[in-house]
Amino acid sequence: EPEVTQTPSHQVTQMGQEVILRCVPISNHLYFYWYRQILGQKVEFLVSFYNNEISEKSEIFDDQFSVERPDGSNFTLKIRSTKLEDSAMYFCASILSNTEAFFGQGTRLTVV
Amino acid sequence: AQSVTQLGSHVSVSEGALVLLRCNYSSSVPPYLFWYVQYPNQGLQLLLKYTSAATLVKGINGFEAEFKKSETSFHLTKPSAHMSDAAEYFCAVSLGGATNKLIFGTGTLLAVQP
Repeated sequence: EPEVTQTPSHQVTQMGQEVILRCVPISNHLYFYWYRQILGQKVEFLVSFYNNEISEKSEIFDDQFSVERPDGSNFTLKIRSTKLEDSAMYFCASILSNTEAFFGQGTRLTVV
Repeated sequence: AQSVTQLGSHVSVSEGALVLLRCNYSSSVPPYLFWYVQYPNQGLQLLLKYTSAATLVKGINGFEAEFKKSETSFHLTKPSAHMSDAAEYFCAVSLGGATNKLIFGTGTLLAVQP
């Protein structure tokens, strides 16, 4: 069964450092997303990506964040200068078209 | 704007008892509604979805949910809880369309007592 894969499963980084979270969406899917879940809180939408550009982003997705689909298979989330409050579980998701989102297992980011 | 409210952040039931997890939504247009389950240290798995077809939706693991437009509700039920149902459950709403983003509720942690 096709699945969304995310790497790494856990990343620890120092405050101010750049991190790149990687995702491989399901191959024939068209819409790609990043969500995050701060410990004990709800899952929050960060950004959606379609046709090689951002289609929508939330207030959380400020200039420190960027997304890229560099090679037609990977979908990355970059945080340029991490802050303590960026510590969260980050989920990648993909959708074919008006169907349910398939989520990856998540990357737990810990900023120290 | 869309929103989702899940009543009860923690629900505890006995094994074999009825599971009822509540979800109310707010949407200006007919929504798509979803229930996702999250087991400890894992990702989100779709339980079931409502996309304007039948109002009673059956999902995996014996769960079902009923879309009630008049009550703006989409409660999740299971007739008989199993120990393996212990997890966090998230209700989510989407308007579909070009973005298809999901708006999640705050989640309900289900505990199943032996």
